[in-house]
Amino acid sequence: EPEVTQTPSHQVTQMGQEVILRCVPISNHLYFYWYRQILGQKVEFLVSFYNNEISEKSEIFDDQFSVERPDGSNFTLKIRSTKLEDSAMYFCASSEDRDFSYGYTFGSGTRLTVV
Amino acid sequence: GEDVEQSLFLSVREGDSSVINCTYTDSSSTYLYWYKQEPGAGLQLLTYIFSNMDMKQDQRLTVLLNKKDKHLSLRIADTQTGDSAIYFCAESRENSGTYKYIFGTGTRLKVLA
Repeated sequence: EPEVTQTPSHQVTQMGQEVILRCVPISNHLYFYWYRQILGQKVEFLVSFYNNEISEKSEIFDDQFSVERPDGSNFTLKIRSTKLEDSAMYFCASSEDRDFSYGYTFGSGTRLTVV
Repeated sequence: GEDVEQSLFLSVREGDSSVINCTYTDSSSTYLYWYKQEPGAGLQLLTYIFSNMDMKQDQRLTVLLNKKDKHLSLRIADTQTGDSAIYFCAESRENSGTYKYIFGTGTRLKVLA
């Protein structure tokens, strides 16, 4: 069964450093998403991306965050200057259609720890 | 309100039925979903229900939808220890033609052997 692949599975970074979280969505999917889950809390929407541009972003997705699809297969989330509160599990997802009637496919996540 | 609400914990004995409840917020949601998250793992889609349905059954899983009360439930029959996980309901929310999930707070299901 097709999978969404995320790398690395765990990243530790120092506060103020830049991090790039990588995702390879399912190949025929057109809509891409990032969500995050702070430890013990609910999963929160960050951003959706379609046709090489952001469709929607949440309040969490401030100027420190950016997304890119650099080569037609990868989908990346960059945090320019990490803060302690950015520590969370970050999930990438993709879907074939806009209203995801069959649901998203999520990756297994990248656990980001900012120290 | 904006939040999708779930009770935080549920504990059942192996072999019993589990019922996980969810109250959602957007009456225009076309689909409602249940996801399972095992410890340290990602989100696995368990099942979904279209908003014009009242019930959907899929093997041991039964989803009930009460649109009037915006109430969604997931029943797991013959609960097994492998069903221990966090269960999230999610509604799809549309904003200017784009869609996203709004997840519930998650219910941690513990199955006692």
